[in-house]
Amino acid sequence: GESVGLHLPTLSVQEGDNSIINCAYSNSASDYFIWYKQESGKGPQFIIDIRSNMDKRQGQRVTVLLNKTVKHLSLQIAATQPGDSAVYFCAEPSGGGNKLTFGTGTQLKVEL
Amino acid sequence: NAGVTQTPKFRVLKTGQSMTLLCAQDMNHEYMYWYRQDPGMGLRLIHYSVGEGTTAKGEVPDGYNVSRLKKQNFLLGLESAAPSQTSVYFCASIPGAGLNTEAFFGQGTRLTVV
Repeated sequence: GESVGLHLPTLSVQEGDNSIINCAYSNSASDYFIWYKQESGKGPQFIIDIRSNMDKRQGQRVTVLLNKTVKHLSLQIAATQPGDSAVYFCAEPSGGGNKLTFGTGTQLKVEL
Repeated sequence: NAGVTQTPKFRVLKTGQSMTLLCAQDMNHEYMYWYRQDPGMGLRLIHYSVGEGTTAKGEVPDGYNVSRLKKQNFLLGLESAAPSQTSVYFCASIPGAGLNTEAFFGQGTRLTVV
């Protein structure tokens, strides 16, 4: 899972397995969350988002789950591929919606 | 579409030198952000702007200044570079608050201060 101020946690998975990346948030009033993927040497790119009126949202091979009770969200990647190797961040608007706050990130490594 | 463009992509500075990083976006976005990312760590917000002519401090603003004279440009300045400012700098923009949408990022500027 993600934690602010620490070095990146790493998740290693075998190619073809499913990956689950976790993120905890602290603001119970947060109503929008975004997952970003950052490949080596590039800027973060949008993967999927979810609003607080939803528990689950699916994209292509990715699913985000939101548990508002415990203030936790997760990103699930099905049939993980080598191209999924990257750092994954969750983010949420803060500061009254003026700022975008990122979690520390999780390094996903896909082993062949 | 160019999206968010950062210049330069790489730079090496000597301690005490000054420089300006330019971020330009062509999406008519209101909000723009400067982040720094240190090796193996996440993104930390330096400064941000919610519109032309406005700027505000993020979580790590010391040693940096910013200006937003034009809506499409957000400049990040280092008046007297220090080795602790060696980092990768990312600029991002979003349409505006309350629109809950994704941020678009530039490709980053890798700065080394020696």
